[in-house]
Amino acid sequence: GESVGLHLPTLSVQEGDNSIINCAYSNSASDYFIWYKQESGKGPQFIIDIRSNMDKRQGQRVTVLLNKTVKHLSLQIAATQPGDSAVYFCAENTAAGNKLTFGGGTRVLVKP
Amino acid sequence: DVKVTQSSRYLVKRTGEKVFLECVQDMDHENMFWYRQDPGLGLRLIYFSYDVKMKEKGDIPEGYSVSREKKERFSLILESASTNQTSMYLCASSPDFMNTEAFFGQGTRLTVV
Repeated sequence: GESVGLHLPTLSVQEGDNSIINCAYSNSASDYFIWYKQESGKGPQFIIDIRSNMDKRQGQRVTVLLNKTVKHLSLQIAATQPGDSAVYFCAENTAAGNKLTFGGGTRVLVKP
Repeated sequence: DVKVTQSSRYLVKRTGEKVFLECVQDMDHENMFWYRQDPGLGLRLIYFSYDVKMKEKGDIPEGYSVSREKKERFSLILESASTNQTSMYLCASSPDFMNTEAFFGQGTRLTVV
């Protein structure tokens, strides 16, 4: 993900709608990607991961899409719920050991 | 359950103080990491360790040092705290094989006054 300075991008979504969070990663050699969710006052928690030999992976209500050509990663959340309100981070494994590099994060606000 | 525990949730320290942030994991993980988190900048890696007594600089090591005397414990040290080190500090651990998630502690919010 790209740093966007001091302001966190915010996605405001209606409860029940689908959310799409985007992330541009930096290293074309990265071969593993993770989405984390961070709720207020907590550390980041794993949501879903994807390896570079895949372009799509689905979990429960979440789907991650990987486009290596343009170095883009997205997280889709189906039927967004109030509990999905959080900051979402993408992370890439830079392949120099098991070290994750994080994007700047996107805040998702779910409106009832 | 996987657990990474940071010793303090909130800390307030004075400029120039030596500050220790402690992190313990109970998963027998080889890898441990310290990140700082600032709004809009995501998580930036300060230091990491692949084994006991081993340490490597991350992206922003200046002003910090670390200690890993035991596998389960990874300490972050601010030798002389400064106001620009006011931040949220996150510790993480991961097992020693490629392409796996890191597990995070709950974070320590440090304020340097």
